[in-house]
Amino acid sequence: DTGVSQDPRHKITKRGQNVTFRCDPISEHNRLYWYRQTLGQGPEFLTYFQNEAQLEKSRLLSDRFSAERPKGSFSTLEIQRTEQGDSAMYLCASSSTGLNQPQHFGDGTRLSIL
Amino acid sequence: SQQGEEDPQALSIQEGENATMNCSYKTSINNLQWYRQNSGRGLVHLILIRSNEREKHSGRLRVTLDTSKKSSSLLITASRAADTASYFCATSLTGGGNKLTFGTGTQLKVEL
Repeated sequence: DTGVSQDPRHKITKRGQNVTFRCDPISEHNRLYWYRQTLGQGPEFLTYFQNEAQLEKSRLLSDRFSAERPKGSFSTLEIQRTEQGDSAMYLCASSSTGLNQPQHFGDGTRLSIL
Repeated sequence: SQQGEEDPQALSIQEGENATMNCSYKTSINNLQWYRQNSGRGLVHLILIRSNEREKHSGRLRVTLDTSKKSSSLLITASRAADTASYFCATSLTGGGNKLTFGTGTQLKVEL
């Protein structure tokens, strides 16, 4: 059973650098979500796609953040000019289409900004 | 911002005991979901309860939903050390698309 896969698991970078994360959803899932989780908090929604269309973006997603899902399969999340406050766990989830569908999460990418 | 609160924030019990966690939320929902998260890992989906349902069971888990009080509870019966984790409730809000809004979580520790 192939679940949601995220790469890399950990990323350490210097402030000001650009980083890109990848998410491979469960193959039959049309919807893909990105969340951010800081220590001791629940995840916060960033953005979501249905197939290749980005349908919603949170106000948390500043113009330094961009997400793509070019062929409706895997997705990338890029952060430009990273800041200390970007340090967090970035979680990807996928689900089937429909109102009451559970979301299935990957193990996340932990980003640390030096 | 977080949708609501889980209560308690932390819970420590002995193996074999039952654990109850509560979740409150603020606005109208389509469904409420419970997730488990082990340290440094992603979230594992446990159970989804729709807004028109009042109770659901899955193995040792029992979830209730009271939409009039905007609250839910998760009961884990006969707890095991492997149940040690953080537990989060998440709501899919009416008119909120499909995004989930998470609570702050309950840290459960089950001791041998």
